[in-house]
Amino acid sequence: KAGVTQTPRYLIKTRGQQVTLSCSPISGHRSVSWYQQTPGQGLQFLFEYFSETQRNKGNFPGRFSGRQFSNSRSEMNVSTLELGDSALYLCASSAPGRSSYEQYFGPGTRLTVT
Amino acid sequence: GEDVEQSLFLSVREGDSSVINCTYTDSSSTYLYWYKQEPGAGLQLLTYIFSNMDMKQDQRLTVLLNKKDKHLSLRIADTQTGDSAIYFCAEITPRSGGYQKVTFGTGTKLQVIP
Repeated sequence: KAGVTQTPRYLIKTRGQQVTLSCSPISGHRSVSWYQQTPGQGLQFLFEYFSETQRNKGNFPGRFSGRQFSNSRSEMNVSTLELGDSALYLCASSAPGRSSYEQYFGPGTRLTVT
Repeated sequence: GEDVEQSLFLSVREGDSSVINCTYTDSSSTYLYWYKQEPGAGLQLLTYIFSNMDMKQDQRLTVLLNKKDKHLSLRIADTQTGDSAIYFCAEITPRSGGYQKVTFGTGTKLQVIP
């Protein structure tokens, strides 16, 4: 079974621009979560999607948004980029109905904002 | 507080045992996880323990849970250079509506000296 894939792997943007990141979960997984990882703040939860609906949200400004498609693929969008948005963005998928909630992570997208 | 705490750094000699510690926050946590992150990669799920267990062993990995003190540890026996990575603990806590909240620790960088 293929793992979680994320595209692109690396991205350089300038302040004020917007960016869209993509995540394809493991086949059969319907939950996709997004995390931001920075040296200073560690791993911070952004949001979770399940069956095309956002069901959990972290404490990030409205510039960060996401969506999920019917095939469970998910996109994350950041508008009006700031220097502080430079980070590794990780997505994770998990199987439905698993109370253990095991998450499987993709390799991440490294975003650099200049 | 809401932080899941870990010591930042651990250095061990190859062949020795490593013990990575984690203090979590929520006594209602149902599952506690250990993830490994190698440079430039996403997080790899290593093992997890259900909150009603005290110990779980999986090959070279032993997880110990002290619910009274909200303390979790990961012991790696016969540590190898390939174990060098950042290790994250994470707690899963149930939320209303059947959702789960995932909180990651700050990460411990394990350095294995040959």
